[in-house]
Amino acid sequence: DVKVTQSSRYLVKRTGEKVFLECVQDMDHENMFWYRQDPGLGLRLIYFSYDVKMKEKGDIPEGYSVSREKKERFSLILESASTNQTSMYLCASSPPGRNDNEQFFGPGTRLTVL
Amino acid sequence: SQKIEQNSEALNIQEGKTATLTCNYTNYSPAYLQWYRQDPGRGPVFLLLIRENEKEKRKERLKVTFDTTLKQSLFHITASQPADSATYLCALDIGNTGFQKLVFGTGTRLLVSP
Repeated sequence: DVKVTQSSRYLVKRTGEKVFLECVQDMDHENMFWYRQDPGLGLRLIYFSYDVKMKEKGDIPEGYSVSREKKERFSLILESASTNQTSMYLCASSPPGRNDNEQFFGPGTRLTVL
Repeated sequence: SQKIEQNSEALNIQEGKTATLTCNYTNYSPAYLQWYRQDPGRGPVFLLLIRENEKEKRKERLKVTFDTTLKQSLFHITASQPADSATYLCALDIGNTGFQKLVFGTGTRLLVSP
């Protein structure tokens, strides 16, 4: 079974802190994604990556950056956390080859910024 | 503007009945549409995919229809069970760059009573 793991289930940070959210997948997937999920807004794509060291902006990249140094790991970085970044963050991966492949999601990290 | 709409109100049905969830979209021309299930505090799990040239897709008690003229997908669960209670998300492909890119609806919460 594909497994996508996220480093923390719950995280509390202070405004202005630099925050790292880690995501690891164990199925050699090339595609990886970071979303945030907020009530009434659904899942919104922050960044995605189709290969090592490659990244593309999603719909809401402002205030975030990403790093993909290894194929299995995709990190989301909040350079200076703000209260409006309090949210559920979900990482996903999908295999290459077909654009209609399903995405496999991690359990999510609920981040609270105080 | 581009929009994906799912009924934000919870759908309450009795066990054994058929649940029908709706996903409407505007100003998209997706090549395919996916449905996911999400349980509280967990990441979404893929259920079904339907392509633009398919009218209907079935998997066990699940059925999805896709009407590109109406810009609508219907998701049916027949013989519903309390274990089917969850939030169901539709996701549209907008990856016209050759890469996979999904846009998610906000989801509809289904509650199946015994």
